[in-house]
Amino acid sequence: GEDVEQSLFLSVREGDSSVINCTYTDSSSTYLYWYKQEPGAGLQLLTYIFSNMDMKQDQRLTVLLNKKDKHLSLRIADTQTGDSAIYFCAESSTGGYNKLIFGAGTRLAVHP
Amino acid sequence: GAVVSQHPSWVICKSGTSVKIECRSLDFQATTMFWYRQFPKQSLMLMATSNEGSKATYEQGVEKDKFLINHASLTLSTLTVTSAHPEDSSFYICSAGVAGGNNEQFFGPGTRLTVL
Repeated sequence: GEDVEQSLFLSVREGDSSVINCTYTDSSSTYLYWYKQEPGAGLQLLTYIFSNMDMKQDQRLTVLLNKKDKHLSLRIADTQTGDSAIYFCAESSTGGYNKLIFGAGTRLAVHP
Repeated sequence: GAVVSQHPSWVICKSGTSVKIECRSLDFQATTMFWYRQFPKQSLMLMATSNEGSKATYEQGVEKDKFLINHASLTLSTLTVTSAHPEDSSFYICSAGVAGGNNEQFFGPGTRLTVL
């Protein structure tokens, strides 16, 4: 079945770039998403990328997609303490309204 | 826009009682609503998908008689945890979406259920 994997923890210094990686198995994935979850809260969509794109940039966020290797990454430039949260990668297959398959989440800790 | 609310935000109940959680799309009509469960430090596990006016589709391993889902309108879905037990304690999150576009789901803030 479909599977999405992420590393569980990342620690970076404030001002540095953070790169969170994700791999997935479903080759029919149409959209891939990055969500952010702060403690005790729901999920906030940060960005998404369509499967026929290689890269998408949105302010401090850069998403890279290697469809051949089924690898997705999220780069956060100039990481701030407010970026500390759990980041989930998710994939969605084609057609209609299909369910999202989430990775386990990467906990990003930003320290001074 | 695209705000989803959940009520209550947290609830504590005694073992054996039933608890109802509401999920509302406040400024849009949701074709589909999803219910997720999240254990501490774990990912979201999809429990069921519901479309307005039809029966929910439950994921494998989720008891439909235990977790009753009603999707009476395009803006409201409810999840009732029946005869709750301590192992049902979890963070329940709903999401809502409209078919088409980028298949984006809009998530509610979650409901923390503690069963004593």
